[in-house]
Amino acid sequence: NAGVTQTPKFQVLKTGQSMTLQCAQDMNHNSMYWYRQDPGMGLRLIYYSASEGTTDKGEVPNGYNVSRLNKREFSLRLESAAPSQTSVYFCASSLTPVGEKLFFGSGTQLSVL
Amino acid sequence: SQQGEEDPQALSIQEGENATMNCSYKTSINNLQWYRQNSGRGLVHLILIRSNEREKHSGRLRVTLDTSKKSSSLLITASRAADTASYFCAEKAAGNKLTFGGGTRVLVKP
Repeated sequence: NAGVTQTPKFQVLKTGQSMTLQCAQDMNHNSMYWYRQDPGMGLRLIYYSASEGTTDKGEVPNGYNVSRLNKREFSLRLESAAPSQTSVYFCASSLTPVGEKLFFGSGTQLSVL
Repeated sequence: SQQGEEDPQALSIQEGENATMNCSYKTSINNLQWYRQNSGRGLVHLILIRSNEREKHSGRLRVTLDTSKKSSSLLITASRAADTASYFCAEKAAGNKLTFGGGTRVLVKP
């Protein structure tokens, strides 16, 4: 089983460019999450989707949008990238209840110049 | 921010020794979880302890929870070089959000 798969693994953007980070899970999990991790800090929740068809803001949603395309896929979009969005982005999924025993992808390292 | 704090920020021990790290949090919790992150990888769930539990074991891991002090500790016994990683506590309060602490970097020297 692949678990949680994120693409791309690395990306460099210029300020103002847009991009979409893709995430897919093959564990039939209901909930999916996007976190960012900055050096020396823990993970901060950007958005999450408790179930297919729903999305909710996390701690740091500004500058991001998400789409829960189906039960398997949850994408994160940066409409106009800013240097402050340079970070490592992690997608995660979990069964139920929401917010317990998360399974993480291997991350996307994003640099915005 | 509800982000908890972990102590120490970094820990260096010899293989075979025990490693203890602590986590303090600020709100009433439903449960507290511990995760491990190896360098350059995603986080891996280790153990979950609920607010009505005081201690939990999983292999060489022992987690305690003191809700009166709003703190938890993770003990790794008989550490191995493969235990070298960052360890994060994460608190789940009422609702759906899981909030992570800043982590403890553990180095186990062979």
